[in-house]
Amino acid sequence: DSGVTQTPKHLITATGQRVTLRCSPRSGDLSVYWYQQSLDQGLQFLIHYYNGEERAKGNILERFSAQQFPDLHSELNLSSLELGDSALYFCASSVTGGLGTDTQYFGPGTRLTVL
Amino acid sequence: DQQVKQNSPSLSVQEGRISILNCDYTNSMFDYFLWYKKYPAEGPTFLISISSIKDKNEDGRFTVFLNKSAKHLSLHIVPSQPGDSAVYFCAASEMDSNYQLIWGAGTKLIIKP
Repeated sequence: DSGVTQTPKHLITATGQRVTLRCSPRSGDLSVYWYQQSLDQGLQFLIHYYNGEERAKGNILERFSAQQFPDLHSELNLSSLELGDSALYFCASSVTGGLGTDTQYFGPGTRLTVL
Repeated sequence: DQQVKQNSPSLSVQEGRISILNCDYTNSMFDYFLWYKKYPAEGPTFLISISSIKDKNEDGRFTVFLNKSAKHLSLHIVPSQPGDSAVYFCAASEMDSNYQLIWGAGTKLIIKP
């Protein structure tokens, strides 16, 4: 158990809909990262938040947005969903803001299926 | 443009033997490399890392080798155990990108009894 929790574990929805994925980092970790893993692909970095502020953006679509709240949990919002958005979405947390090479600890992921 | 490549989707090794997982990269600015292990229905777990100032890092049964001139790194697991069966991801980062991780597609390692 990494200490990072993600809810829900599974999500099935229809095209055009909007969903929210939630992540609670390990106690004491200030950074939250979101990744997308499509079938048989590596992890694609989406976005990084540090202590409530957006720190870096990767290959995140405009239909997707995220935020980190004062209690440090984070939400990833996916809207106008398309079939191609079906994937595993991972959240990871780390102690610092990525300025060093601190280890990222991953949650179990949310499997999103868009029908 | 795949900056980090794991060309073997899967690898099968006999228990007790050495497992060697390979990873190639194209960006010469990468200066930090990591290996993560992933079991089904779980998130990736950090295994071992190496900085570009080193060419080898060892942690128990796991050793990572870095060949900067060839832009190649490898993970050696000796001896291989059944619990090592998992998907192994190689990831790389550079200081200028705030150490944002770029991931390979993974290699599924199967340890045969």
